[in-house]
Amino acid sequence: DQQVKQNSPSLSVQEGRISILNCDYTNSMFDYFLWYKKYPAEGPTFLISISSIKDKNEDGRFTVFLNKSAKHLSLHIVPSQPGDSAVYFCAASAQNNNDMRFGAGTRLTVKP
Amino acid sequence: DTAVSQTPKYLVTQMGNDKSIKCEQNLGHDTMYWYKQDSKKFLKIMFSYNNKELIINETVPNRFSPKSPDKAHLNLHINSLELGDSAVYFCASSLRQGQETQYFGPGTRLLVL
Repeated sequence: DQQVKQNSPSLSVQEGRISILNCDYTNSMFDYFLWYKKYPAEGPTFLISISSIKDKNEDGRFTVFLNKSAKHLSLHIVPSQPGDSAVYFCAASAQNNNDMRFGAGTRLTVKP
Repeated sequence: DTAVSQTPKYLVTQMGNDKSIKCEQNLGHDTMYWYKQDSKKFLKIMFSYNNKELIINETVPNRFSPKSPDKAHLNLHINSLELGDSAVYFCASSLRQGQETQYFGPGTRLLVL
């Protein structure tokens, strides 16, 4: 039972354009969401997070938007750079629960 | 000065063997985790330890036994390896329990033949 879903396995974007990665979740108890970035042969690295009390969090070129009513979040990268090419995982957890659930990931390719 | 390290990075072994994967974190974190990334690329939590105590034990065969000798180490021992155990295993740590950012190791690629 996948409670966190990333329905696009891959995304290709031109350098300089915006990349939008989407994530949906089914568990209404989730109230903390994270995005991780993963390069080949490395572990996931934390990118950005958002708590359910917010609907937007921004860090440089990266912005995460949360739509609680739709149980949907997205990661915007602008402008996209070739170094952003990686697999991006969405993750979610509920308060007082160590059990973080991950999506299957979206492979982003940014073309020069 | 790697924050979360795992050994070995690659492990190729025969069915039926017993193997261990080691994990160490030098971040001073209280909580450590083991995840399995299967062929469909889902990252699924297996175990979580807080200050050497088991706090999450997902539905994992009891052939998998985690051991935490101290809060900086969480090792994973697997008995009687099966073909379906082939996966990438990631160790992670976080400052404390709860909704904390988790920091991952580089992964151990296990192939059971």
